[in-house]
Amino acid sequence: GAVVSQHPSRVICKSGTSVKIECRSLDFQATTMFWYRQFPKQSLMLMATSNEGSKATYEQGVEKDKFLINHASLTLSTLTVTSAHPEDSSFYICSAWGQGDSYEQYFGPGTRLTVT
Amino acid sequence: SQQGEEDPQALSIQEGENATMNCSYKTSINNLQWYRQNSGRGLVHLILIRSNEREKHSGRLRVTLDTSKKSSSLLITASRAADTASYFCATDLKRSYGNKLVFGAGTILRVKS
Repeated sequence: GAVVSQHPSRVICKSGTSVKIECRSLDFQATTMFWYRQFPKQSLMLMATSNEGSKATYEQGVEKDKFLINHASLTLSTLTVTSAHPEDSSFYICSAWGQGDSYEQYFGPGTRLTVT
Repeated sequence: SQQGEEDPQALSIQEGENATMNCSYKTSINNLQWYRQNSGRGLVHLILIRSNEREKHSGRLRVTLDTSKKSSSLLITASRAADTASYFCATDLKRSYGNKLVFGAGTILRVKS
């Protein structure tokens, strides 16, 4: 099956710094990837849809300048949390649609961000 | 807001028992999917049921869909301790600028050995 990886799996940073999270599709090309945020014991909230070669589409309420998304190639999307604050601490998960007409999304293992 | 709502929010059962989780949604759908998430990990796709299907099986999983009631259920039979996880339903929401999955709140299942 399709594999999506994320790096890093855990990151701790200080307030005011920026953190970049990578999402890679390892064995397939993903023209569209998704970034989710998940708080403890809660569901996934879609932050943005990342499209290869074009600007990301952000969900309502998500700050574009805060969460920078770049989808430079068919196998890599990055999420940069800029000027991080403790309230940005969360679990960030990326996903990509399966190939062909599959409706299944393949999820990365997630990145735990802690801002101190 | 999330389209799907699930109940129960948490479920604790003994190994060998069956576990049933329910999901309701609000808009019309093309399909409904169930995912599993182990603590602190990504999601794993379990099963997809299309809007013209009423029931689907996969191993110990049985999913039903009632489009008239806008609800779905996931049944795990003969549960095992390894089934302990959170389970989410998700519906495919069509938008002019691209579809997205809308997840329910999830059910935390704990299977005691």
